[in-house]
Amino acid sequence: DIVLTQSPASLAVSLGQRATISCRASQSVSTSSYSYIYWYQQKSGQPPKLLIKYASNLESGVPARFSGSGSGTDFTLNIHPVEEEDTATYYCQHSWEIPYTFGGGTKLEIK
Amino acid sequence: QVTLKESGPGILQPSQTLSLTCSFSGFSLSTSGMAVGWIRQPSGKGLEWLAHIWWDDDKRYNPALKSRLTISKDTSSNQVFLKIASVDTADTATYYCVRQLAHFDYWGQGTTLTVSS
Repeated sequence: DIVLTQSPASLAVSLGQRATISCRASQSVSTSSYSYIYWYQQKSGQPPKLLIKYASNLESGVPARFSGSGSGTDFTLNIHPVEEEDTATYYCQHSWEIPYTFGGGTKLEIK
Repeated sequence: QVTLKESGPGILQPSQTLSLTCSFSGFSLSTSGMAVGWIRQPSGKGLEWLAHIWWDDDKRYNPALKSRLTISKDTSSNQVFLKIASVDTADTATYYCVRQLAHFDYWGQGTTLTVSS
């Protein structure tokens, strides 16, 4: 199975500043054309919500302060400027092979 | 508007079989490239993909649970079903139904299962 390691496990960011979350895969999940990594936001008591697809493509309706980057084994989710409503746990996920797996999650607190 | 809604028994005893139903609207599972899957999340923990079924009836399972999982669909009624055999306390979780391309772009609200004797 491909292991996705997220870091940090939790972070606290001041309102208006930048939050950066890392997702490292145990093997490459990229081709020359696509990276099969997705990012989700889960607020307390809600299902996850898709934010970013194919590593860097913003899902429709998601604010432009969210961005994704990376290729191969190293991927990053950036949120800038953070807002109060961004308090949530963030997960990365791959679809390179079966089984699809998720990272362990990063809990974001807004100071 | 795409919606998915899960239903299940809520509580089971160990060794029983879990039967889950996903009722969806706003898309068709007969559309090429479409799939519906199941993901679960124990309270306070991370996400685990379980299985998915494609428009052409191709099925994929998480190898860690494959021997216990059965996924099926009724395209005409817009429903997908998941059975998990021989549940135990480790299966206590919220179970989500998702619309799936390569990613999971729509999620149901989830149905909670507690396994307890």
